[in-house]
Amino acid sequence: KAGVTQTPRYLIKTRGQQVTLSCSPISGHRSVSWYQQTPGQGLQFLFEYFSETQRNKGNFPGRFSGRQFSNSRSEMNVSTLELGDSALYLCASSLRDTAHSGNTIYFGEGSWLTVV
Amino acid sequence: GEDVEQSLFLSVREGDSSVINCTYTDSSSTYLYWYKQEPGAGLQLLTYIFSNMDMKQDQRLTVLLNKKDKHLSLRIADTQTGDSAIYFCAETSTLTGGGNKLTFGTGTQLKVEL
Repeated sequence: KAGVTQTPRYLIKTRGQQVTLSCSPISGHRSVSWYQQTPGQGLQFLFEYFSETQRNKGNFPGRFSGRQFSNSRSEMNVSTLELGDSALYLCASSLRDTAHSGNTIYFGEGSWLTVV
Repeated sequence: GEDVEQSLFLSVREGDSSVINCTYTDSSSTYLYWYKQEPGAGLQLLTYIFSNMDMKQDQRLTVLLNKKDKHLSLRIADTQTGDSAIYFCAETSTLTGGGNKLTFGTGTQLKVEL
């Protein structure tokens, strides 16, 4: 059974550009969440999608957006990149949509974004 | 609000047991997780425990939960050099829009020495 797949694995962008990261969840999983990992702030929740709907968003500016497709694949977009957006972006996949249903949460290998 | 705390470093000798501790604040957390992160990699789910349990064992891993003190620990028996990594404790928080998020600790860097 394939795990969570994230592409691209590494990318370098210039300040002011935009970037799109992709996540394919484990087959059959309908919930996708995104997290940002930086040395200074650690792991922080970005947003969560279930059945193509964004249900929650973390404390990030509007430059961070995302979407989920009917096949549960998800993309996140960061516009007008800043140096501080350099981070590892992790996608998480889970079968169910609540914390009360035996919800194991699996992560991908992440996308390393460097903004120069 | 949610907050999860862990010690930053732990050093053990190969073959010894490692115990990584974590405290959390959200008493409504239903699941608590342990993840492992090796250099340059994502998060690997090690194990999780439901909040109505006080212990869970999975091969070399033992998770202990003290719900009263909001304290979680991960014991790794017979620690090997391949166990060297950062270990994250995480609690789940149900969000207003439904669904949940994970709140992570800072991570504990485990170093296994020969």
